[in-house]
Amino acid sequence: SAVISQKPSRDICQRGTSLTIQCQVDSQVTMMFWYRQQPGQSLTLIATANQGSEATYESGFVIDKFPISRPNLTFSTLTVSNMSPEDSSIYLCSVDQGNTGELFFGEGSRLTVL
Amino acid sequence: QQQVKQSPQSLIVQKGGISIINCAYENTAFDYFPWYQQFPGKGPALLIAIRPDVSEKKEGRFTISFNKSAKQFSLHIMDSQPGDSATYFCAASMGDSSYKLIFGSGTRLLVRP
Repeated sequence: SAVISQKPSRDICQRGTSLTIQCQVDSQVTMMFWYRQQPGQSLTLIATANQGSEATYESGFVIDKFPISRPNLTFSTLTVSNMSPEDSSIYLCSVDQGNTGELFFGEGSRLTVL
Repeated sequence: QQQVKQSPQSLIVQKGGISIINCAYENTAFDYFPWYQQFPGKGPALLIAIRPDVSEKKEGRFTISFNKSAKQFSLHIMDSQPGDSATYFCAASMGDSSYKLIFGSGTRLLVRP
């Protein structure tokens, strides 16, 4: 299975600032995704990170708030912009290595907004 | 219709007992049903998955039972061990968008020694 590294693993941020989370995979993958897991909650898909084109966002998530980059088949970033305390969550990078529907997740980036 | 309802929210089982977690769905287009296990501070890890063409799938101590007519599926953990203590999520997806998982709300399992 793919090894997925996320940075930072955790951060504490001030309201109104932005934070960029990086996701590095040890092999080339076609499908990369960003999920959000709010405290004690389930996982919600934010967007699909498309290599070489704009990300595909799910209902309730917009590019201005969560800009995503995918410059190549092993790397992606998610930025959480103009943060508020409601953005305090774990943000998880995920890949579908064999286009099988079997997702592998990184360990997540725990974000606390004060 | 896109929801996956999971129960119970939390579960305490004695070592050696059977842990049972249930999920229900409405969308009959769902055709892929995985279970994920998440330990504190870690990302979810795929545990076992099933497609609707079978009613049961077993991998070691973990079994998925699937009832297509009732639109329900469940995870059974036999001979539960303290190391199984984690949060378990059921999920569902469909067709060409099998990667777009709809997750249940999660079940926090505690296995007592």
